[in-house]
Amino acid sequence: EVQLVESGGGLVQPGGSLRLSCAASGFTFSSYEMNWVRQAPGKGLEWVSYISSSGSTIYYADSVKGRFTISRDNAKNSLYLQMNSLRAEDTAVYYCARSYYGGKAINYFDYWGQGTLVTVSS
Amino acid sequence: DIQMTQSPSSLSASVGDRVTITCRASQSISSYLNWYQQKPGKAPKLLIYAASSLQSGVPSRFSGSGSGTDFTLTISSLQPEDFATYYCQQSYSTPRGTFGQGTRLEIK
Repeated sequence: EVQLVESGGGLVQPGGSLRLSCAASGFTFSSYEMNWVRQAPGKGLEWVSYISSSGSTIYYADSVKGRFTISRDNAKNSLYLQMNSLRAEDTAVYYCARSYYGGKAINYFDYWGQGTLVTVSS
Repeated sequence: DIQMTQSPSSLSASVGDRVTITCRASQSISSYLNWYQQKPGKAPKLLIYAASSLQSGVPSRFSGSGSGTDFTLTISSLQPEDFATYYCQQSYSTPRGTFGQGTRLEIK
């Protein structure tokens, strides 16, 4: 059974840092591209960052570029998000999500974690 | 960046109703459109991919259509468990898969 379990969320002051983790199991982690998606309280979904299966290709949303760093450790079946210079608007539930590619137009997030809440407040 | 706009933002309906949710892309995205369902406190769940393909295990009352810029999600006969928020997502500019703002489906 595929499982994604996030951890590391919590309360942090503006300007602070936090590192999120996503532990993967039930599939060959090193074969899949991964993402972080967030959801502010009462708001919609926002894609945050992507990392290729090898870690060699990385993308960020403009809203977090230069402040957040995505990484992965395929030996530990783990995905990470290092968040620095946090702002109140970064307050959200952060989900890790696996990418699936199945051919033309077939590209979606097929498995999601349960999410971890990050609250940025003084 | 590709913008996704859903309508309506919220919708009240009764069990047994037929419901349609619309999603419009700011540019053509071919069939690179997915639909997700999210219930309170839960992660999103994939319903439809590639505009019209039903994800395994999803009831057949859910269907999707469209291509280019205009897409629809239809629930043919609402069930109590379908009351949730629905999001479209474009995967044309993957991996930057923009989501629509969501449509909240409530019980009338």
